[in-house]
Amino acid sequence: ETGVTQTPRHLVMGMTNKKSLKCEQHLGHNAMYWYKQSAKKPLELMFVYNFKEQTENNSVPSRFSPECPNSSHLFLHLHTLQPEDSALYLCASSQARFYEQYFGPGTRLTVT
Amino acid sequence: KNEVEQSPQNLTAQEGEFITINCSYSVGISALHWLQQHPGGGIVSLFMLSSGKKKHGRLIATINIQEKHSSLHITASHPRDSAVYICAVYRMDSNYQLIWGAGTKLIIKP
Repeated sequence: ETGVTQTPRHLVMGMTNKKSLKCEQHLGHNAMYWYKQSAKKPLELMFVYNFKEQTENNSVPSRFSPECPNSSHLFLHLHTLQPEDSALYLCASSQARFYEQYFGPGTRLTVT
Repeated sequence: KNEVEQSPQNLTAQEGEFITINCSYSVGISALHWLQQHPGGGIVSLFMLSSGKKKHGRLIATINIQEKHSSLHITASHPRDSAVYICAVYRMDSNYQLIWGAGTKLIIKP
């Protein structure tokens, strides 16, 4: 399998649930990213990992918790989310931090 | 004012027409990225350029660093080109942050 994959593609969760989003890249890249895309808004960068180390956290609420166990996998753990967190969550990877980014298909999250 | 502005916001054209989407930015950049997002969300990188012009199939991207402007052209447009086209710039200061435009929604009618 090639490219960047994300699972699940769709997720509906209640405000009290705990769930995790998974991203996997098969490109041999060293940097991975989580983005949030809300309706009619530009992409918002949430987290950046470079060589498994978190290098950026753009004031993301603590109810979102990233994890990067190795350069190929990235998780976003979700707990006690709010309805306004409903959005498309996109994962991307790049050869290194400032190189061209390749995106996964996204997870469409709905918080009820 | 946003640091990356795209125009137009929406564009509807007939199949076969030549399409131009513009991106202007107000910060110093190291590179500019054009991406395509289809309905359903998937984003595909089209070009990354820091000078001149790049061509891939029916797509052409140009950048003028002095004028802080880039254009994405589509020749012989086709309904499958319908998507949102996004411009993003790697800002030179601020730790090379990637600044995203709001996107241009393109619809090509058969």
